[in-house]
Amino acid sequence: DAGITQSPRHKVTETGTPVTLRCHQTENHRYMYWYRQDPGHGLRLIHYSYGVKDTDKGEVSDGYSVSRSKTEDFLLTLESATSSQTSVYFCAISGVLAGVDNEQFFGPGTRLTVL
Amino acid sequence: TQLLEQSPQFLSIQEGENLTVYCNSSSVFSSLQWYRQEPGEGPVLLVTVVTGGEVKKLKRLTFQFGDARKDSSLHITAAQPGDTGLYLCAGAEYGDKFYFGSGTKLNVKP
Repeated sequence: DAGITQSPRHKVTETGTPVTLRCHQTENHRYMYWYRQDPGHGLRLIHYSYGVKDTDKGEVSDGYSVSRSKTEDFLLTLESATSSQTSVYFCAISGVLAGVDNEQFFGPGTRLTVL
Repeated sequence: TQLLEQSPQFLSIQEGENLTVYCNSSSVFSSLQWYRQEPGEGPVLLVTVVTGGEVKKLKRLTFQFGDARKDSSLHITAAQPGDTGLYLCAGAEYGDKFYFGSGTKLNVKP
């Protein structure tokens, strides 16, 4: 299994509070991704990183920010959580961005509930 | 709007039956992937297809990439309870990252 962990695994928080989710990898992969998964929507990309301090937006980036200060860590922050951000969040890593050699390895997920 | 549409959304069948899951788009993809996800876990890659018309087999699973590289199908022969899970397709447009479909939830009853 790829060495990728997420913390926390479960979190319940209140509307308006800041929340930070952490993704940690031991594979030294260049690309890291944050997705959210909701029923009927599959996986939707929030943000991704293509190197230390290099990040870009995905399709559902509003309300989220990210940071990558080290190769191994990718943080997702909800500055002021809303109930619409209740979801399961997955981190993924890959050696390349796309193409035949792109295999994304996923973490175990973080279940976030915003009350 | 979802870039990739999967059908059906849900499928419940008996062990031993055959099934096909479809992944369709109006976009042309440079490559397309299929993932399987079990409850409480992250998705795991099954296959990547890159050539129009390509067919790949993985034991009882057959994957096909459409000639125009806009669609793909996954066929499972003689389904088993261990095939139960969420099947996701993901397509990459040229030079871009992968985008996922909405998924097909398969339940194979013993």
